[in-house]
Amino acid sequence: DAKTTQPNSMESNEEEPVHLPCNHSTISGTDYIHWYRQLPSQGPEYVIHGLTSNVNNRMASLAIAEDRKSSTLILHRATLRDAAVYYCILRYTLYGQNFVFGPGTRLSVLP
Amino acid sequence: DTEVTQTPKHLVMGMTNKKSLKCEQHMGHRAMYWYKQKAKKPPELMFVYSYEKLSINESVPSRFSPECPNSSLLNLHLHALQPEDSALYLCASSQDQKTATANTGELFFGEGSRLTVL
Repeated sequence: DAKTTQPNSMESNEEEPVHLPCNHSTISGTDYIHWYRQLPSQGPEYVIHGLTSNVNNRMASLAIAEDRKSSTLILHRATLRDAAVYYCILRYTLYGQNFVFGPGTRLSVLP
Repeated sequence: DTEVTQTPKHLVMGMTNKKSLKCEQHMGHRAMYWYKQKAKKPPELMFVYSYEKLSINESVPSRFSPECPNSSLLNLHLHALQPEDSALYLCASSQDQKTATANTGELFFGEGSRLTVL
């Protein structure tokens, strides 16, 4: 399985944009890039996913490098509620069942 | 209803006990998952069921026994556990690839069952 690497932790100020990087240099052509986050004392929740093109939804934006070896999750205006562990995950096909989490990035948001 | 419900929320058991964790979803999802999460670590995949059949077993010890009695329910039977098995056990579900409706492939997680083995 292709692996992902992320910074262990990042800090942001409230109401500022946050860019969370993920490297996946061994990604294959059929791997989808998914992002999940886990708030304290909760199960992980879906944030966004993409294959080749940049993606936007109400929670975040996903910027995917042209060679697909890296991606960046963008939170446009961080709030205190965005403090969580963010996981970048590669998933073989959109419905691949071997859904394996990497170590993730712990995001702290300062008021 | 976009909810995965897990019971119990907390469970304390001795090493000789037999107990079960339960997971339920009513979203019509046909894939269900068990994950184990230790403190400050990412969730680790244990089992995947697809259309009520076990499709992935990530070399989990036999003291953990999954069961999928129907498309809405997933159980994890626990027997002769060790203290190092203490963890948060997370259940998730998703629409399986055989579903005709386009979807994001999103996993929906429950809040987990926190297990302590004494």
